[in-house]
Amino acid sequence: GAGVSQSPSNKVTEKGKDVELRCDPISGHTALYWYRQSLGQGLEFLIYFQGNSAPDKSGLPSDRFSAERTGGSVSTLTIQRTQQEDSAVYLCASSLRQGMGNEQFFGPGTRLTVL
Amino acid sequence: QKEVEQDPGPLSVPEGAIVSLNCTYSNSAFQYFMWYRQYSRKGPELLMYTYSSGNKEDGRFTAQVDKSSKYISLFIRDSQPSDSATYLCASGSGTYKYIFGTGTRLKVLA
Repeated sequence: GAGVSQSPSNKVTEKGKDVELRCDPISGHTALYWYRQSLGQGLEFLIYFQGNSAPDKSGLPSDRFSAERTGGSVSTLTIQRTQQEDSAVYLCASSLRQGMGNEQFFGPGTRLTVL
Repeated sequence: QKEVEQDPGPLSVPEGAIVSLNCTYSNSAFQYFMWYRQYSRKGPELLMYTYSSGNKEDGRFTAQVDKSSKYISLFIRDSQPSDSATYLCASGSGTYKYIFGTGTRLKVLA
């Protein structure tokens, strides 16, 4: 595909369950970002991957959140023991290279609802 | 105080109007400024990118940065109903991390 894809597009889960969100970046893009978008909160940075470097996890809100990127391509964001405040749209973006001025291409997001 | 502040709107204008969208930022180290457009249930897409101060024009869109007042603007001329979306500003200082505003919802009425 030409763009960033994310799955599932919607996920409804019960409080306390674990969820996995998947991101397929644009082929050849070395940088990958995860963001969370809540109503009235804007885009909140979660984690950043660049090539084989150690990821920047500084935006993860708690140790229930983790992410990995296998083979420099697909990434999975895992939320353990989900809470209602985790309900949000989770957006993935990729860019060709690291650094400012490199356009981030966003996927359509996964809308997570925790009941 | 958030590093990037943006009025959430909503902002409703008639078709053909000039729209002014604004953000303020607090970090004087910010040098990179972007505007993204996000349609409902879609991911944001880059509209305009500006480095440092000044104006940049692309068709009906003009981005303006005033670093002395830490003010970022996006102007849309001859607005169309298809411009109805949420507009997000973003700023950064030279690492890979951008700080996004909360977004302004714009509705252009036919």
